[in-house]
Amino acid sequence: QQQVKQSPQSLIVQKGGISIINCAYENTAFDYFPWYQQFPGKGPALLIAIRPDVSEKKEGRFTISFNKSAKQFSLHIMDSQPGDSATYFCAASAASNAGKSTFGDGTTLTVKP
Amino acid sequence: GAVVSQHPSWVICKSGTSVKIECRSLDFQATTMFWYRQFPKQSLMLMATSNEGSKATYEQGVEKDKFLINHASLTLSTLTVTSAHPEDSSFYICSASTPAGDGYTFGSGTRLTVV
Repeated sequence: QQQVKQSPQSLIVQKGGISIINCAYENTAFDYFPWYQQFPGKGPALLIAIRPDVSEKKEGRFTISFNKSAKQFSLHIMDSQPGDSATYFCAASAASNAGKSTFGDGTTLTVKP
Repeated sequence: GAVVSQHPSWVICKSGTSVKIECRSLDFQATTMFWYRQFPKQSLMLMATSNEGSKATYEQGVEKDKFLINHASLTLSTLTVTSAHPEDSSFYICSASTPAGDGYTFGSGTRLTVV
């Protein structure tokens, strides 16, 4: 049973456009929802994260939208740049489960110049 | 702050040998670290939770005797792949909770190739 479903699998966006990646979760015990960026051959790097008590969080060009009732959250990348081309993973964890993270399957983003 | 260093970044070993991967928290103490495995173009799969001073907790389906985890200090956790085989070839990544408790920081990963 996949607890975090991520879509789309791949995404191509023109430079300056908006990239949107969506995730849905099942476990209502999850209380931490981060997004990670991973470049080939590197470990994931935390981009931005949100907790269920807020519906939106913005950091620079990156915004997380969170819908607790729908059990969905999304990452919006504004003014997408070629340097944003990477694989993005959503994840979810619960403090009640020792903080173990469950990851989505990842989205490969390509930003075309 | 909250940097996790992983070493080596890549290793090639012969089938049947053992390989040790180190994960160090450089500027903070990590009582808990996590070990993940990632196959090409796939997601991260949690292998085990490493707890300082106690036995690691392994996820279902992960062989404890093949993937030995030691967390002997607050800044170091090691993963030893014993009697490695080609199917163990993968990207192994560790992570630790940040001191502020606001997330997790990951190491840069270790690419293991067993020939």
